[in-house]
Amino acid sequence: GEDVEQSLFLSVREGDSSVINCTYTDSSSTYLYWYKQEPGAGLQLLTYIFSNMDMKQDQRLTVLLNKKDKHLSLRIADTQTGDSAIYFCAEMRVRGGSQGNLIFGKGTKLSVKP
Amino acid sequence: ETGVTQTPRHLVMGMTNKKSLKCEQHLGHNAMYWYKQSAKKPLELMFVYSLEERVENNSVPSRFSPECPNSSHLFLHLHTLQPEDSALYLCASSQVGGGAHETQYFGPGTRLLVL
Repeated sequence: GEDVEQSLFLSVREGDSSVINCTYTDSSSTYLYWYKQEPGAGLQLLTYIFSNMDMKQDQRLTVLLNKKDKHLSLRIADTQTGDSAIYFCAEMRVRGGSQGNLIFGKGTKLSVKP
Repeated sequence: ETGVTQTPRHLVMGMTNKKSLKCEQHLGHNAMYWYKQSAKKPLELMFVYSLEERVENNSVPSRFSPECPNSSHLFLHLHTLQPEDSALYLCASSQVGGGAHETQYFGPGTRLLVL
């Protein structure tokens, strides 16, 4: 299909790891992104991965990319209550020239329980 | 601080009003975007300005009118809106072309309520 798919909800306990999954649609997408949105706020870029990479780690965040299955995941280690937010997966679909379209999933609401 | 600011942060308007949303980016980017975020729907791209020229209009109703006077400023003019236009309107900017990575950076959004 045409949609970027994510589970809508995830609940974890403080200190556990969180894994948020995403499937995207266009195998030619160049970059894949994770954005975080806290209540009442805009989107904050968390991390991104180039399509020729399998993994990217940035402090508590680990991004895994399975290009064959068009599957992207975000792992948050030692999840804290401040990590509670909506996490959006997005793919950059390249059109002609250099202008690409950023296509978002509906977002996964992460709830962290103390 | 994302380098992209939006005003106002909240707006309530009647269906006969005319209002404008403002976005300003301080990142030196050459492309700016308007997105609409409605409940339970993916973000919808409304307008793209790249190098101050409108690149595409995704069949957005004419009651939404964008304006990009320069590469740092973007407006969304609103008139005779409908209640279903109530949503969070997000502005973003990026650097396009020249082999640059086109990561989009977002503002905090304007929460619009149409009565």
